[in-house]
Amino acid sequence: AQSVAQPEDQVNVAEGNPLTVKCTYSVSGNPYLFWYVQYPNRGLQFLLKYITGDNLVKGSYGFEAEFNKSQTSFHLKKPSALVSDSTLYFCAVRVLSGSARQLTFGSGTQLTVLP
Amino acid sequence: EAQVTQNPRYLITVTGKKLTVTCSQNMNHEYMSWYRQDPGLGLRQIYYSMNVEVTDKGDVPEGYKVSRKEKRNFPLILESPSPNQTSLYFCASSLYGQGGNTYEQYFGPGTRLTVT
Repeated sequence: AQSVAQPEDQVNVAEGNPLTVKCTYSVSGNPYLFWYVQYPNRGLQFLLKYITGDNLVKGSYGFEAEFNKSQTSFHLKKPSALVSDSTLYFCAVRVLSGSARQLTFGSGTQLTVLP
Repeated sequence: EAQVTQNPRYLITVTGKKLTVTCSQNMNHEYMSWYRQDPGLGLRQIYYSMNVEVTDKGDVPEGYKVSRKEKRNFPLILESPSPNQTSLYFCASSLYGQGGNTYEQYFGPGTRLTVT
């Protein structure tokens, strides 16, 4: 079975500082990894994904994520955090193997950027 | 505008009274899915569909039914709702085709369901 872990329920960072939101995964086979963001009272919005190729993936709003196969991680990063980045972030994994065509989400990380 | 719509957005009902939450997408996506979101648990997949008349169970299918008679619509049916189905529900869609599982999903705005 595939699974995703976001070990931190809450991450606080000062505005202007770099931010990292952690994600680790467990799958059988090659993973397809995604980051989504959820603003209050809205559905999830896609940020970025890793399918294959370069381990550093760039996405929307200045976010990027680094795929590390040996550590089975896909941490979300941004060089300089903004107060407007404060919201809920979800990591997700998908794999094509047999009938496992589901998208599995982590439990989410609440990011707070302090002014 | 490309979008996934859900109705109703808010629903309060009583135990045992059948209800349907509708989901529609205008992007001609093959893949559609339903999730429930509960605090501390993230999103858990209820059912998904890879095309018309093709549906499969997700991680938490008990107490739910779905149907996919048209490509654009994927309603979620609760035949006999119970209080433990109180949750925030999201519908999502994506391309499937040759890209398989590589496509990102587009989410609806959510339906907040309360079962008393």
